[in-house]
Amino acid sequence: DQQVKQNSPSLSVQEGRISILNCDYTNSMFDYFLWYKKYPAEGPTFLISISSIKDKNEDGRFTVFLNKSAKHLSLHIVPSQPGDSAVYFCAANSNSGYALNFGKGTSLLVTP
Amino acid sequence: ETGVTQTPRHLVMGMTNKKSLKCEQHLGHNAMYWYKQSAKKPLELMFVYNFKEQTENNSVPSRFSPECPNSSHLFLHLHTLQPEDSALYLCASSREGTGLNTEAFFGQGTRLTVV
Repeated sequence: DQQVKQNSPSLSVQEGRISILNCDYTNSMFDYFLWYKKYPAEGPTFLISISSIKDKNEDGRFTVFLNKSAKHLSLHIVPSQPGDSAVYFCAANSNSGYALNFGKGTSLLVTP
Repeated sequence: ETGVTQTPRHLVMGMTNKKSLKCEQHLGHNAMYWYKQSAKKPLELMFVYNFKEQTENNSVPSRFSPECPNSSHLFLHLHTLQPEDSALYLCASSREGTGLNTEAFFGQGTRLTVV
């Protein structure tokens, strides 16, 4: 049973525009959410996180928004750059769990 | 470079072989993990070690056997695997179990092909 869902397997955005990657979760016990970025032949690298006590966290070009009532979070990248082309994984966990629950990932392609 | 090193990067093995995957971290972390990444599937947690003790085994078949001799090293011993076990195996570490809301650092993975 998949508790973290990324329903868009791929996304194509023009350079300079905004990329919006979406993630939904089902477990109301999740209280910490993370985005990872993965290039081919590499392991995922941590990008940005948000605690459930916040609804927004910003780090440079990356902003994560959390809507707890909708059990939805999104990652905004603006402006998008070709180097942002990668697979983005949404992950979530709760204080009582050891493991991160991952979505299937969204492959982002930023075209020049 | 995330501080988590996995060897080998690629491995091809027959179904009757025995091989081991190795993971090493020098981040001073106390928790280490094995994940499996299959095509078109989410990352699946396999094993968790916290302070060298196995705290989670996510219904993984016994043909996968983890070993954590110390908090810096983690092994995954493989024997009599099946072709469907072909996947990218990722090791990760974190300060403690991720239940304390710390992010995990991943190695580059071992691409395993079972023939």
